[in-house]
Amino acid sequence: AQSVTQPDIHITVSEGASLELRCNYSYGATPYLFWYVQSPGQGLQLLLKYFSGDTLVQGIKGFEAEFKRSQSSFNLRKPSVHWSDAAEYFCAVRTNAGKSTFGDGTTLTVKP
Amino acid sequence: DGGITQSPKYLFRKEGQNVTLSCEQNLNHDAMYWYRQDPGQGLRLIYYSQIVNDFQKGDIAEGYSVSREKKESFPLTVTSAQKNPTAFYLCASSISPRPGTQGYTFGSGTRLTVV
Repeated sequence: AQSVTQPDIHITVSEGASLELRCNYSYGATPYLFWYVQSPGQGLQLLLKYFSGDTLVQGIKGFEAEFKRSQSSFNLRKPSVHWSDAAEYFCAVRTNAGKSTFGDGTTLTVKP
Repeated sequence: DGGITQSPKYLFRKEGQNVTLSCEQNLNHDAMYWYRQDPGQGLRLIYYSQIVNDFQKGDIAEGYSVSREKKESFPLTVTSAQKNPTAFYLCASSISPRPGTQGYTFGSGTRLTVV
């Protein structure tokens, strides 16, 4: 069975600083990987996805993520964080059977 | 605009009562999912449906039931058998169940509180 680990429960960064959120997955076959963002009391919004090809993928809101098969990782990055990026971020792996497994999330706080 | 509508946004239920959460999508998506979200526990899959009139149990289906009579609708019933129903419930859909290259579109959620 697949699993996703987000090692950081909570991260605080200053506005304008760079950001990296970690995600490690476990899955026997080629994974389909996703990052979602959730604002308080809202549903999740898809930021970006990886399923093949270039291992560096670009998403919305200036986010990018890099797939590293050797490390079973799919870390999310942003060069300069804005106050509006404060939210909870979820990494997910989806199998060919269609179901997704989500990590427990990382809460991002942005300091002014 | 296409999307997923969950209603109501807030729901209060007395212990021992069944309650049904609505999920409607106008995206023409084949697959629909119900997740439960608790603080610090991420999202856990309750039920999912890949086509009309068919659905499968997820990881935490006990105490819940669903139906998929129409492509657009996937209501979730929280029964009195669910021991700890207070949670945030999220409905999601995807264009097709396979392959898994497509992400999900989520509704805005229903917060259920048992009083």
